[in-house]
Amino acid sequence: KAGVTQTPRYLIKTRGQQVTLSCSPISGHRSVSWYQQTPGQGLQFLFEYFSETQRNKGNFPGRFSGRQFSNSRSEMNVSTLELGDSALYLCASSPSGGADTQYFGPGTRLTVL
Amino acid sequence: ILNVEQSPQSLHVQEGDSTNFTCSFPSSNFYALHWYRWETAKSPEALFVMTLNGDEKKKGRISATLNTKEGYSYLYIKGSQPEDSATYLCAPKGPGKLIFGQGTELSVKP
Repeated sequence: KAGVTQTPRYLIKTRGQQVTLSCSPISGHRSVSWYQQTPGQGLQFLFEYFSETQRNKGNFPGRFSGRQFSNSRSEMNVSTLELGDSALYLCASSPSGGADTQYFGPGTRLTVL
Repeated sequence: ILNVEQSPQSLHVQEGDSTNFTCSFPSSNFYALHWYRWETAKSPEALFVMTLNGDEKKKGRISATLNTKEGYSYLYIKGSQPEDSATYLCAPKGPGKLIFGQGTELSVKP
């Protein structure tokens, strides 16, 4: 089975712009979770989507949003970028969430100038 | 909110040494405990998912135990090898999400 893929792998934006990141889960997985990692921080949970519905949400401002399509692919959007949004964004898929093992993609490295 | 603590933050050992790390978490609202290994420039790789108090899991030279009543998990690596160098993350699952610790960075010198 192909693993989790994320595009793009690297992205440079300027403050105030918006960005969309994409995640394609492992075939058959219906749960997709997004995480942010910044220097000195652990992986911070952003949100989880399951069957096109946001099932859980972390403590991030409304500028961070996401969606999931019928094929389970997910996108994450960040509007009005700030310097502090520079981070590695990881997505992870699992069959149904819960206590399932999550399989991570390679991440998108976002740099905001 | 779950507060997850991992210790030590970093560890430098010689090849062949055995080592262990600790993950501490509040024992209330516990659902499962995940361990991941994250090598530089790679994706986090799942090691174990543990759900029951007293659970013990083993994968090659790596093993883990779980105590949900007191809120901790230990990860052991027997006979560390340079390829074990990575950051080891624990993540208890609280209501609705995984809460990751800061990780233990292991460096194994040949």
